[in-house]
Amino acid sequence: AQSVAQPEDQVNVAEGNPLTVKCTYSVSGNPYLFWYVQYPNRGLQFLLKYITGDNLVKGSYGFEAEFNKSQTSFHLKKPSALVSDSALYFCAVRVGYNQGGKLIFGQGTELSVKP
Amino acid sequence: GAGVSQSPSNKVTEKGKDVELRCDPISGHTALYWYRQRLGQGLEFLIYFQGNSAPDKSGLPSDRFSAERTGESVSTLTIQRTQQEDSAVYLCASSLGPASGNTIYFGEGSWLTVV
Repeated sequence: AQSVAQPEDQVNVAEGNPLTVKCTYSVSGNPYLFWYVQYPNRGLQFLLKYITGDNLVKGSYGFEAEFNKSQTSFHLKKPSALVSDSALYFCAVRVGYNQGGKLIFGQGTELSVKP
Repeated sequence: GAGVSQSPSNKVTEKGKDVELRCDPISGHTALYWYRQRLGQGLEFLIYFQGNSAPDKSGLPSDRFSAERTGESVSTLTIQRTQQEDSAVYLCASSLGPASGNTIYFGEGSWLTVV
């Protein structure tokens, strides 16, 4: 079965410092990996995805993620955190076409950026 | 429209009443998904529609839950005889198709409170 794990319920970072939100995955076949962000009382916004190609993927709002096949990880990163980055972040893997292509989500990581 | 549109955005209902939630996907998107997010929890897959194929209902939690979709347009999620544990945000999402590389875009959600 395909699954995603986000080992940290919460990450605290000072504004201006780099941030990392961790994600590991377990899939059969090629992984299709996504990051979404959820601001309070809002829906999910797409940040970035890894399909194939370069292991470093760049996305919205200055975020990037590094795909590491040997470690089965897809950590979200940003060089300099902003207070406005404070939100709930979800990592997800998309299952294959024959399974409907739905997203399997991790439990989410609450990012708190303090001034 | 430009994005996935959901209505109502907020709904308070009495226990035992039926509710209907509506989703209007992005134009041209053949794949449509419903997810549920309970307070402080992750996202739970409910149902998936792809074109005129039979829906994948494997995530529906009970027979009180049902959903319909007319062709490749609007979908409605119906919850009969609502219970307090149905209180959650119901997120609709759509995608160009079920192929794993396609991005799934979410609406702002319908926030349901059962009192």
